[in-house]
Amino acid sequence: GAVVSQHPSWVICKSGTSVKIECRSLDFQATTMFWYRQFPKQSLMLMATSNEGSKATYEQGVEKDKFLINHASLTLSTLTVTSAHPEDSSFYICSARISGGAEEQFFGPGTRLTVL
Amino acid sequence: GQNIDQPTEMTATEGAIVQINCTYQTSGFNGLFWYQQHAGEAPTFLSYNVLDGLEEKGRFSSFLSRSKGYSYLLLKELQMKDSASYLCAVMDSNYQLIWGAGTKLIIKP
Repeated sequence: GAVVSQHPSWVICKSGTSVKIECRSLDFQATTMFWYRQFPKQSLMLMATSNEGSKATYEQGVEKDKFLINHASLTLSTLTVTSAHPEDSSFYICSARISGGAEEQFFGPGTRLTVL
Repeated sequence: GQNIDQPTEMTATEGAIVQINCTYQTSGFNGLFWYQQHAGEAPTFLSYNVLDGLEEKGRFSSFLSRSKGYSYLLLKELQMKDSASYLCAVMDSNYQLIWGAGTKLIIKP
């Protein structure tokens, strides 16, 4: 149980385009989902906390207008990278916490974004 | 500020035992997690400690001392597939995970 999926697994896009990444909890409900970014050989960096039915909470330094987060249901959160630039190229990982469950976060497989 | 410290890299031999240490200073404490991350993949959960002591799970064990702000992950009977980064993360008083930079473990035959 506790499986989280992400789509797409990898994406290559041109600079200036927008990219949407989906994060789904497949067999549980997740009131809270988290979006992380990880650059090569670095640790996870929390970008934002996504709460179902409300606005996401962004970490300091993360532009909310550039990284749009929508958590419309208990099983789906989306991250849209708007007007992507090469410096946005990274590994984006979502995680989810079971509603009413323990504090453990279950991670999706990640999405590798390359902006040309 | 909040801080998680763990060694950057460790090397061990197949079949041996290795201990990866993690020290932390956070605003509040609601548990400590260890995750394993293979290159190019997302982290996978290994262990969760919220009370002092040792938690054993197969070849992996995790220890916590809250008074010392210290934890370790012990890996026994090392296998080549254990080569990965091991991430220590602490949940603070706001139930936010604070991540260490990870320890890259290299297993040699």
